[in-house]
Amino acid sequence: NAGVTQTPKFRILKIGQSMTLQCTQDMNHNYMYWYRQDPGMGLKLIYYSVGAGITDKGEVPNGYNVSRSTTEDFPLRLELAAPSQTSVYFCASSYPGGVQAVDELFFGSGTQLSVL
Amino acid sequence: TQLLEQSPQFLSIQEGENLTVYCNSSSVFSSLQWYRQEPGEGPVLLVTVVTGGEVKKLKRLTFQFGDARKDSSLHITAAQPGDTGLYLCAGANNYGQNFVFGPGTRLSVLP
Repeated sequence: NAGVTQTPKFRILKIGQSMTLQCTQDMNHNYMYWYRQDPGMGLKLIYYSVGAGITDKGEVPNGYNVSRSTTEDFPLRLELAAPSQTSVYFCASSYPGGVQAVDELFFGSGTQLSVL
Repeated sequence: TQLLEQSPQFLSIQEGENLTVYCNSSSVFSSLQWYRQEPGEGPVLLVTVVTGGEVKKLKRLTFQFGDARKDSSLHITAAQPGDTGLYLCAGANNYGQNFVFGPGTRLSVLP
């Protein structure tokens, strides 16, 4: 099992460029998430999805877009990259355990993005 | 907005020492999780606590959830270099998908 796979591992963008961060999971998890991690700031939720065709905004969605056409894939799109989007991006997935259960998040290994 | 604070921010100790790191909030959470993150990797779940006052042990790691479900601690006995990493706490409500992460404690265990 590969788990959650993110590509690319590293990327440098110029201001105003756009790109898509890819995320795929092979665990048949319904829920998927995109977080960004900045030094000393913890993980901030950008967008999440509870199933194919359903997405919702998290805490910091501005400047990003997502889509969820399949259970496996949850790409994150950056339009008009800005220096404030320099960060490490993590994709995660979880399987909803029911009303009284707490989900475990399974993370990818991250994408380190620099916008110059 | 619910916030989680963690202390200390950085901790460097010698192999064999004991340590405790803390996760605090002014808000109540229905559950709290601890993750460990190694350089270049994503966080990995260590434990989930759901009941106020709950204590869980995982080998040399002891996790406690505060009685009021606003805080948690992680105690490591006889730390080893393999314990080195970033320790993140994450709170959730409604047993659901809306996790709030703390900023983390970066632990370095020197041989």
